Amino acid sequence: GEDVEQSLFLSVREGDSSVINCTYTDSSSTYLYWYKQEPGAGLQLLTYIFSNMDMKQDQRLTVLLNKKDKHLSLRIADTQTGDSAIYFCAESKDDYKLSFGAGTTVTVRA
Amino acid sequence: EAQVTQNPRYLITVTGKKLTVTCSQNMNHEYMSWYRQDPGLGLRQIYYSMNVEVTDKGDVPEGYKVSRKEKRNFPLILESPSPNQTSLYFCASSQTGEGLFFGSGTQLSVL
Repeated sequence: GEDVEQSLFLSVREGDSSVINCTYTDSSSTYLYWYKQEPGAGLQLLTYIFSNMDMKQDQRLTVLLNKKDKHLSLRIADTQTGDSAIYFCAESKDDYKLSFGAGTTVTVRA
Repeated sequence: EAQVTQNPRYLITVTGKKLTVTCSQNMNHEYMSWYRQDPGLGLRQIYYSMNVEVTDKGDVPEGYKVSRKEKRNFPLILESPSPNQTSLYFCASSQTGEGLFFGSGTQLSVL
């Protein structure tokens, strides 16, 4: 949606780190999410961060939040072929109504 | 297994022929929602429901209806489908603090 923007494509070599960036406009966003969509499947929640946090780490995933710039990023360490998918950034005030970005298609090349 | 089930997965229909896409969740979630996904636009919310008999419009409700007679079911109704409703539709449910659980999607083509 227009309230959440992310780049459309990212190509990364297997084993490298991937960084997907997202910006949002609503300063009252409380929840910020990253979802993954594999071909032919629905969206799967990867991780989320509260707006009062700067960083969250979960295994190979690191989420960074710059609230001042309204910038959210997802870093995937040691990117694997199974990480090829569309990644959606989303924000919400109430953990119910989510606004999604257009999605970033990540392609992992050997 | 916790899941959101949508049916059908694929549907081809003609302009003006009423259709219903069903959605059911087995997690006792109060909140349910319908989204459509279009290339370059991401997901846009059509309708949502905070609980039984409580529904509200999302960002793109025109041409759609919903009902929430039971907690587990949230069907999406297109009374008179048009070609601009050709899209990939997702149902989702949620309980606070868990994020949205999505169904596998329904690819609808309106000719």
